[in-house]
Amino acid sequence: RKEVEQDPGPFNVPEGATVAFNCTYSNSASQSFFWYRQDCRKEPKLLMSVYSSGNEDGRFTAQLNRASQYISLLIRDSKLSDSATYLCVVLTGGGNKLTFGTGTQLKVEL
Amino acid sequence: DAGVIQSPRHEVTEMGQEVTLRCKPISGHDYLFWYRQTMMRGLELLIYFNNNVPIDDSGMPEDRFSAKMPNASFSTLKIQPSEPRDSAVYFCASSSSGGDNEQFFGPGTRLTVL
Repeated sequence: RKEVEQDPGPFNVPEGATVAFNCTYSNSASQSFFWYRQDCRKEPKLLMSVYSSGNEDGRFTAQLNRASQYISLLIRDSKLSDSATYLCVVLTGGGNKLTFGTGTQLKVEL
Repeated sequence: DAGVIQSPRHEVTEMGQEVTLRCKPISGHDYLFWYRQTMMRGLELLIYFNNNVPIDDSGMPEDRFSAKMPNASFSTLKIQPSEPRDSAVYFCASSSSGGDNEQFFGPGTRLTVL
């Protein structure tokens, strides 16, 4: 079983739609969680951290369920510029070592 | 700051040749990571360093791969001899132990082994 699992998609949605991505992680000792965004042929970049109480950054909402070992990302009012691959990322143990999911591809269409 | 710098950006080589990828981390960062990304396997951690010391190289595929960090501002990933299955994008990333675990990635080196 992979440490971090995501639905690869693609999710094709119309502009303005709300879309949600889910992710599960296998190690219950994982202590920090993130969503990274990767544009086509570019490097991954941090989108947002995920906190236990849930957190919001503009149109983006991230939630964590430690009991179910489940992380989610909700994008409201999606824009064409949101088209990218969204990587679920987990920190387990010390040493700043992150484990990346394989990513979920989002395509926002007119 | 210029961010993480990698060179070359693209490399095309023939099977059996030696390939050296280079990385300059963000100044002041004490962690450096090498990743490989392919469509099939996604982003895989190969090795990471803390204060120039290799901490975990369990992701290095085999003895053909080696990595060094001779000082805080430079690291290399070497493949010798290269094989077609090594074709991938290789990313270098750095982070600070004093930060929030955010890793900053370089633009990557796209390697094609013919």
